[in-house]
Amino acid sequence: DAEITQSPRHKITETGRQVTLACHQTWNHNNMFWYRQDLGHGLRLIHYSYGVQDTNKGEVSDGYSVSRSNTEDLPLTLESAASSQTSVYFCATSGTSGGNTGELFFGEGSRLTVL
Amino acid sequence: GDSVTQMEGPVTLSEEAFLTINCTYTATGYPSLFWYVQYPGEGLQLLLKATKADDKGSNKGFEATYRKETTSFHLEKGSVQVSDSAVYFCALTWGSGNTGKLIFGQGTTLQVKP
Repeated sequence: DAEITQSPRHKITETGRQVTLACHQTWNHNNMFWYRQDLGHGLRLIHYSYGVQDTNKGEVSDGYSVSRSNTEDLPLTLESAASSQTSVYFCATSGTSGGNTGELFFGEGSRLTVL
Repeated sequence: GDSVTQMEGPVTLSEEAFLTINCTYTATGYPSLFWYVQYPGEGLQLLLKATKADDKGSNKGFEATYRKETTSFHLEKGSVQVSDSAVYFCALTWGSGNTGKLIFGQGTTLQVKP
């Protein structure tokens, strides 16, 4: 079965360190997204990509970057981690085949704690 | 800008009770509307969707009707089970076309007691 794999599932880091969260999908979807989930805010879009070499900023992109070198992977990098970036991060994908109405498929999340 | 507002939780019900979780939206154009469910320790998964006004989405006993006149998409279930305990998110598509970008509400936690 197709799936989305996020790693690590749990990470604790220190303020100022660079952190990369991995997302690997076997759906062969063109569209990939990174969301963060915080209590009281629901999910907020960080970055997204519609294909190889394409990246776009979302609602809360400051302090984050992504790169898309192939269809399967969209790593999320925190250049200099801050305590405000403590959150649960979800990778999601969607296809562009006919009939798709925007349904997203989610990974299981990566819980990041910045001390 | 576009937004989604859900009723605050947690919502605590006894098994077999009737469930309503309110969701209203603000959007330009005609978004598609979704309900996603998140079980403990898992990612979100699509529960149901509606793509145009008056459409009713349904799945696993849950229903929601796209009401353009009241800009609402309330989630209902006639008889909840303990296994329905989860966080429920209302969402809408953002932007034109098949972009896959969604705007989510803040989520409503449902606790069902035996």
